[in-house]
Amino acid sequence: QKEVEQNSGPLSVPEGAIASLNCTYSDRVSQSFFWYRQYSGKSPELIMSIYSNGDKEDGRFTAQLNKASQYVSLLIRDSQPSDSATYLCALLQGGSEKLVFGKGTKLTVNP
Amino acid sequence: KAGVTQTPRYLIKTRGQQVTLSCSPISGHRSVSWYQQTPGQGLQFLFEYFSETQRNKGNFPGRFSGRQFSNSRSEMNVSTLELGDSALYLCASSLGHRGQETQYFGPGTRLLVL
Repeated sequence: QKEVEQNSGPLSVPEGAIASLNCTYSDRVSQSFFWYRQYSGKSPELIMSIYSNGDKEDGRFTAQLNKASQYVSLLIRDSQPSDSATYLCALLQGGSEKLVFGKGTKLTVNP
Repeated sequence: KAGVTQTPRYLIKTRGQQVTLSCSPISGHRSVSWYQQTPGQGLQFLFEYFSETQRNKGNFPGRFSGRQFSNSRSEMNVSTLELGDSALYLCASSLGHRGQETQYFGPGTRLLVL
């Protein structure tokens, strides 16, 4: 099993809808989880970090973490065309500064 | 506060040559990590430096090396370039302490090996 798995998509949602992005991981020691957004030809941009079980909200974005199920998700409410990008789930490998990334989910928000 | 900067932004080399990439972290950040991004493999960790010491290392051959200077700036070197080294090389900086590991990426250096 790969360390971080994401549905590669593409995921297509209409403008104004909720986009749901999911990620599962295998490293039970990991305590820190991140969502990055990467526009085509650009570098990853941090959206959110989450460390504790439950939900964390920041504007239109909500990250959810369930350590028992080894599952992280990102919800984007009121999706906008500018949200169209690849979303990368990452975890900090236990005891290190090594970020392990999923392959990313490509999201398209249709006007 | 200025973000992470990387130079050069684009580079074309031929097989067998070597290349050095540079990264300047966010002011106050002491940890610099390097990643390689390719369409097939995604983002893969190369190594991480903290206070001029390599603290973590990924699964790349010895042709990939790095160093960090006292001002936290870091360089990455790839010797004897291969076609498969063509990639986007990203560096990321963080404070580097437990609980302060959030990494911020630079714009990357796109390397093409011919």
